[in-house]
Amino acid sequence: SSELTQDPAVSVAMGQTVRITCQGDSLRSYYASWYQQKPGQAPILVIYGQNKRPSGIPDRFSGSTSGNTASLTITGAQAEDEADYYCNSRDSSGNPHAVFGGGTQLTVL
Amino acid sequence: QVQLQESGPGLVKPSQTLSLTCTVSGGSISSGDYYWSWIRQSPGKGLEWFGYIYYNGDADYNPSLKSRITMSVDTSKNQFSLKLRSVTAADAAVYYCARTEYGAHNGRRGIHFDYWGQGTLVTVSS
Repeated sequence: SSELTQDPAVSVAMGQTVRITCQGDSLRSYYASWYQQKPGQAPILVIYGQNKRPSGIPDRFSGSTSGNTASLTITGAQAEDEADYYCNSRDSSGNPHAVFGGGTQLTVL
Repeated sequence: QVQLQESGPGLVKPSQTLSLTCTVSGGSISSGDYYWSWIRQSPGKGLEWFGYIYYNGDADYNPSLKSRITMSVDTSKNQFSLKLRSVTAADAAVYYCARTEYGAHNGRRGIHFDYWGQGTLVTVSS
């Protein structure tokens, strides 16, 4: 079982703001990162280090963490943002092991 | 631009060993700036981290898979590899290689994967 918990599915009306969350004890100590995956494609890093965007990622994507919950916020969701989103962090044991959330399927209505 | 490309057999028989190689271009494994990971995704499922290898051969593995995994690196070819022993149907998945940063950002340490291969589908069947 994953040490990071995500809601299985979320929907948002086009142009509106949506928050996708990820919960886990390790998030109190380690930063969260987020990946976007479209069908048949490899995941793409959209947020790392809590709130940093790699080059080429639109600024409508932002990240934050409070306590044991990390959030990915998409401000003004677009049709092309419809995808699965996964969070990741280090595991809570202190070992340098990565863990992923179970993923959230985002539907843009 | 860093690119990663997985290669290996798409079909493996049960109980045999799965062997995959990841070739890195646009960056050097031997720079030591990054770690190199394997991640898999079973059909319709989420992502599972296998482990990482460093340019000098240091490796660390997912405890749930550790007994069956070996990773290696060939800096002369800018490649790293995965061997998974005693495969079963449960090991059928898309296998990805990814460049891995163990970093510190905003006052916190962590791990993330900034470049991924396109993935290779592995089927387990006799």
